[in-house]
Amino acid sequence: NAGVMQNPRHLVRRRGQEARLRCSPMKGHSHVYWYRQLPEEGLKFMVYLQKENIIDESGMPKERFSAEFPKEGPSILRIQQVVRGDSAAYFCASSQGGANEKLFFGSGTQLSVL
Amino acid sequence: GENVEQHPSTLSVQEGDSAVIKCTYSDSASNYFPWYKQELGKGPQLIIDIRSNVGEKKDQRIAVTLNKTAKHFSLHITETQPEDSAVYFCAASIGGSARQLTFGSGTQLTVLP
Repeated sequence: NAGVMQNPRHLVRRRGQEARLRCSPMKGHSHVYWYRQLPEEGLKFMVYLQKENIIDESGMPKERFSAEFPKEGPSILRIQQVVRGDSAAYFCASSQGGANEKLFFGSGTQLSVL
Repeated sequence: GENVEQHPSTLSVQEGDSAVIKCTYSDSASNYFPWYKQELGKGPQLIIDIRSNVGEKKDQRIAVTLNKTAKHFSLHITETQPEDSAVYFCAASIGGSARQLTFGSGTQLTVLP
């Protein structure tokens, strides 16, 4: 049973380009979370999605950032017109929801903006 | 919103000794407290969690204690081994689920052989 799969592992973009980060949840999981981790800091919540719905995007910047979790295919975190400050590790987590849900994280995408 | 503070930021112990990492939280409504282990270049791995209806939970060499009155919880690792070396994060959330976890800043644990 594969875990949470994220790709790419490393992504290099120049300022002003777009970054697309993909996440496939664990089999049987329909809840996806995106977190951002700056060097030597804890993870910061960005957005929580279920299939075709954004449930909570309170941690995501209002501009340039968007997320989706379509009916078919992986969840996508999209960052438009990247800036140096977007450089970070982006982690996706999935769960099956419910009262006793637990989050399982992928290995992350390290985004570097030149 | 919730604020989670974690101490110490670095911890070195001799192999076989115990390690204790402590966290405090600010929102008394928080009632789910997981601990994650993150190895270099990998994602956080859930190692143990506790919900507010219990005060302690153990899983082999790992235990977590929760004091709701004082709003703090701790991770205890006994008989440490070099493979326990990693960054450990505590987290808290409201509602008893893993939704919108607030993480501590992490503890770099080094187990010296």
